[in-house]
Amino acid sequence: KNQVEQSPQSLIILEGKNCTLQCNYTVSPFSNLRWYKQDTGRGPVSLTIMTFSENTKSNGRYTATLDADTKQSSLHITASQLSDSASYICVVSGDTGGFKTIFGAGTRLFVKA
Amino acid sequence: DAGVTQSPTHLIKTRGQQVTLRCSPKSGHDTVSWYQQALGQGPQFIFQYYEEEERQRGNFPDRFSGHQFPNYSSELNVNALLLGDSALYLCASSGGPGGDYGYTFGSGTRLTVV
Repeated sequence: KNQVEQSPQSLIILEGKNCTLQCNYTVSPFSNLRWYKQDTGRGPVSLTIMTFSENTKSNGRYTATLDADTKQSSLHITASQLSDSASYICVVSGDTGGFKTIFGAGTRLFVKA
Repeated sequence: DAGVTQSPTHLIKTRGQQVTLRCSPKSGHDTVSWYQQALGQGPQFIFQYYEEEERQRGNFPDRFSGHQFPNYSSELNVNALLLGDSALYLCASSGGPGGDYGYTFGSGTRLTVV
């Protein structure tokens, strides 16, 4: 069964600190993995996209890693800001088109002053 | 350049009623996908429209139907609403049915069924 599992479910950190979010998947065949940031009540916004051959990609203070062998990905946030408070969703596509795109439940990040 | 726009932003309906949600894709995109996101969950794929036809469908009952117009905009219709249909409904557009890389989401429609 195609699944995407994220951990932790929620996380509280102090402003300025770093954190790492995890994503494990069983989607097969694998096409690409994306991390999205979703503010409460808003649509997801893409942070990074990685294909099978890529093992790291950065977008400002966000760095995503991918290990296609172990089917694991992480999203590292550096020097967190209050505006980083949001849900971070890992999305894995096993094929082109919408049906094989599986969303994780997300990690809810709270950044406190 | 307008992104994906959805309307209405919020909606309250009674059980058994019918609802229509609307989506205008990002300029240059021709494919629209609809997702249902329950509170605290990731989005679940409902269906995808391309060239005015439903191309793929997730595990949703026939009460969920859609349409795509020649200008690529799309509607999601839900009949015989249930309390469990309360969710954030997201529309995402892309450049073609295989355009996963170019997914752009709208801000969603918050549907509450009472």
